[in-house]
Amino acid sequence: NAGVTQTPKFQVLKTGQSMTLQCAQDMNHNSMYWYRQDPGMGLRLIYYSASEGTTDKGEVPNGYNVSRLNKREFSLRLESAAPSQTSVYFCASITRGSTLTGELFFGEGSRLTVL
Amino acid sequence: RKEVEQDPGPFNVPEGATVAFNCTYSNSASQSFFWYRQDCRKEPKLLMSVYSSGNEDGRFTAQLNRASQYISLLIRDSKLSDSATYLCVVTPFVRGKLQFGAGTQVVVTP
Repeated sequence: NAGVTQTPKFQVLKTGQSMTLQCAQDMNHNSMYWYRQDPGMGLRLIYYSASEGTTDKGEVPNGYNVSRLNKREFSLRLESAAPSQTSVYFCASITRGSTLTGELFFGEGSRLTVL
Repeated sequence: RKEVEQDPGPFNVPEGATVAFNCTYSNSASQSFFWYRQDCRKEPKLLMSVYSSGNEDGRFTAQLNRASQYISLLIRDSKLSDSATYLCVVTPFVRGKLQFGAGTQVVVTP
């Protein structure tokens, strides 16, 4: 079972470059999320998609864009990378209604460094 | 003030000992509560839900205190493999987004 797959796992960018983080889940989940994790800050929600065709801003959306390409895929784009976007990015998914059960499935993370 | 706050630790625990730590939340209307575990440089994984009546899963016991707005996690008979960061997670309302605390690091030593 693949679960949630993120690519790339590691990336180094220069300031001003753009890139897209890809995420795909094979669990037929409705909702997908992008988080970033920084030391001492915990997981902060960047964007989420409650269902196919919808996206909403989370806590820290500035500098990012997302696309819910279909039910399986949810991508995160950095249009002009900044050093402040150096972080570990996690994609996650959950089936509808399961915020009550709390079982969010995460990808393995993408470690991004912006120089 | 953060919505979900945790003591970052680390809590250094001898193998076989008991360790407990809390997580406070600010929204009194919060609906659901969970503990996640995150190993170093890995993704978080659900450890257990926290029910109003308290619940136990093997060596792990979770409690909810709504009056004081905190949840707790107790680990008995600590194993080396329990070394991890434990994330407190709160859902502020029904079908709301999960909100994560910054985590409490536990280090179990031989």
